[in-house]
Amino acid sequence: DIQMTQSPSSLSASVGDRVTITCRASQGIGNLLAWFQQKPGKAPKSLIYAASGLQSGVPSRFSGSGSGTDFSLTISSLQPEDFATYYCQQYKTYPFTFGPGTKVDI
Amino acid sequence: EVQLVESGGGLVQPGGSLRLSCAATGFSLSDYYMNWARQSPGKGLEWVGRSRDKAHSYTAEYAASVKGRFSISRDDSDNSMYLQMDSLKTEDTAVYYCGRDVLRDRKWHAFEIWGRGTTVTVSS
Repeated sequence: DIQMTQSPSSLSASVGDRVTITCRASQGIGNLLAWFQQKPGKAPKSLIYAASGLQSGVPSRFSGSGSGTDFSLTISSLQPEDFATYYCQQYKTYPFTFGPGTKVDI
Repeated sequence: EVQLVESGGGLVQPGGSLRLSCAATGFSLSDYYMNWARQSPGKGLEWVGRSRDKAHSYTAEYAASVKGRFSISRDDSDNSMYLQMDSLKTEDTAVYYCGRDVLRDRKWHAFEIWGRGTTVTVSS
């Protein structure tokens, strides 16, 4: 199975900060990586597909990059509604696997 | 409005069975690859399985942890997908989500849309 790791596991930030979360796959996955945002008690929400594709309706302050084994999610200017947990997921190979999550709080 | 609604969760004893439903509105489920994922209390996300679209005969793939115990099916007349869960274990306790994939550039991209989830508790 492909193992996904994320760093950091948590971070504290302020409104207006630029935040970057990294995700690493244990083997190459091309660009078949997604990013999700999850708030407490809510379902995950898709932000990014194919490593850098912005889902419809997602604010442009979110961006994704990377290919192969190393990926990143950047929030250019953190807003109050962005405080949440973020997960990456590879969908190159079965079983699809998620990263352990990065919690972004104040 | 495109929406997914899960139902069928509840309390079940170890060794028991449960069938979850995922009802789609605003689109035809048969045209899409669909997934199930779960999240144990206070934990991260775990992929459970994927069902391909009708053009690919709804064939499915499963996580090793559920293979042989869980199965995914569809009902075109109800525009719904199901997750039949047998031989349930306490470690299957989780919120279960269904998710729709999206086809872009001739590739299916996972979990474009998520349902709100349904809670399954396996306990004696």
